[in-house]
Amino acid sequence: DGGITQSPKYLFRKEGQNVTLSCEQNLNHDAMYWYRQDPGQGLRLIYYSQIVNDFQKGDIAEGYSVSREKKESFPLTVTSAQKNPTAFYLCASSSSGTGYNQPQHFGDGTRLSIL
Amino acid sequence: AQSVAQPEDQVKVAEGNPLTVKCTYSVSGNPYLFWYVQYPNRGLQFLLKYITGDNLVKGSYGFEAEFNKSQTSFHLKKPSALVSDSALYFCAVRVVNAGNNRKLIWGLGTSLAVNP
Repeated sequence: DGGITQSPKYLFRKEGQNVTLSCEQNLNHDAMYWYRQDPGQGLRLIYYSQIVNDFQKGDIAEGYSVSREKKESFPLTVTSAQKNPTAFYLCASSSSGTGYNQPQHFGDGTRLSIL
Repeated sequence: AQSVAQPEDQVKVAEGNPLTVKCTYSVSGNPYLFWYVQYPNRGLQFLLKYITGDNLVKGSYGFEAEFNKSQTSFHLKKPSALVSDSALYFCAVRVVNAGNNRKLIWGLGTSLAVNP
């Protein structure tokens, strides 16, 4: 079955450490997105990519970085510059890019905590 | 400013009763509207969308939503609630900013509890 796979499900970060969250999709979607979810704050867009080798900052990109070397993969790195990284991170993909006329498909998330 | 609101943090209904989860919006132009559901420690699942056409939209799991342009609302409904419908529900709206840039704005979510 097609879908989005996020790994790991749980991740712990030490002070000063960079960590990378994996996101892989086999839906053949061009567009991929990273969201951060905090209790009571809904979803906030970190980065998005409409096509391979291209990505754009979302609303809260500071302290994060991404790459899009393959259509299927859109990893997110939480850098040491992100001072409050504890959150639930969701990856999504869509066939409609920034047209936003098609639904987004979500992975099951990675929960990041600070040690 | 363009926005979407879910005025109720929590909705409680008894199993078998009808349920409504409210969403209102403020956008320039024609809105694209979406409803998603999130179960604990899972990603969001798409329920339904309104782009154009019939104001009553039917979606997954027996849910439907009515687009009301005059009231700028897109409330999610189900005639008979199930305990398994208990989850977090998100409304989202596509907006178009200056410069023709498109963006998806998410509501803060409504927690639905269906009691047996």
